[in-house]
Amino acid sequence: QKEVEQDPGPLSVPEGAIVSLNCTYSNSAFQYFMWYRQYSRKGPELLMYTYSSGNKEDGRFTAQVDKSSKYISLFIRDSQPSDSATYLCAIIQGAQKLVFGQGTRLTINP
Amino acid sequence: SAVISQKPSRDICQRGTSLTIQCQVDSQVTMMFWYRQQPGQSLTLIATANQGSEATYESGFVIDKFPISRPNLTFSTLTVSNMSPEDSSIYLCSVTSGVAKNIQYFGAGTRLSVL
Repeated sequence: QKEVEQDPGPLSVPEGAIVSLNCTYSNSAFQYFMWYRQYSRKGPELLMYTYSSGNKEDGRFTAQVDKSSKYISLFIRDSQPSDSATYLCAIIQGAQKLVFGQGTRLTINP
Repeated sequence: SAVISQKPSRDICQRGTSLTIQCQVDSQVTMMFWYRQQPGQSLTLIATANQGSEATYESGFVIDKFPISRPNLTFSTLTVSNMSPEDSSIYLCSVTSGVAKNIQYFGAGTRLSVL
């Protein structure tokens, strides 16, 4: 079983829609959860990170962690064409090793 | 966050040759990381590079194939040796910076194609 599983998509939605991106992870000991955004031909940029359970909101983005079901989510409200990118979830394993999901390619259609 | 520059941004290489990728950071950082992103795949950690010590390699990656240098706190290189078409990937460096030691910031990556 992979440590982090993510539906690769692709996912295509109309502008203004609410987007839900999801990952599952295998080890209940993981504490730090990240979401990175990667535009085409660019390196990943950190969007949000959460520690342990709960929600974290930043503008149109909300990150959610459900440790009981080992499920992490990223919600994008009022999606914009500029949100079109690949979204990668990641967990920190051990000291500082990042383990990434496969990434979901998202397209927001005007 | 740190500003990370990688060189070259892309290259096309012949089978059997080697390529050295440079990663320069605009501030001193303790830990630098090298990742590989194969076509259509996610990022996989190759090794962690600390200044003044040998790099620590992940399972499946060996020093003879991916030698790493870390001569100071702002610079590292990754060499992809004796390349084959299977080495065609994006290679990225990242650093941890600032108070949030768990947060990694990435360079734009080096796109490598091996013919």
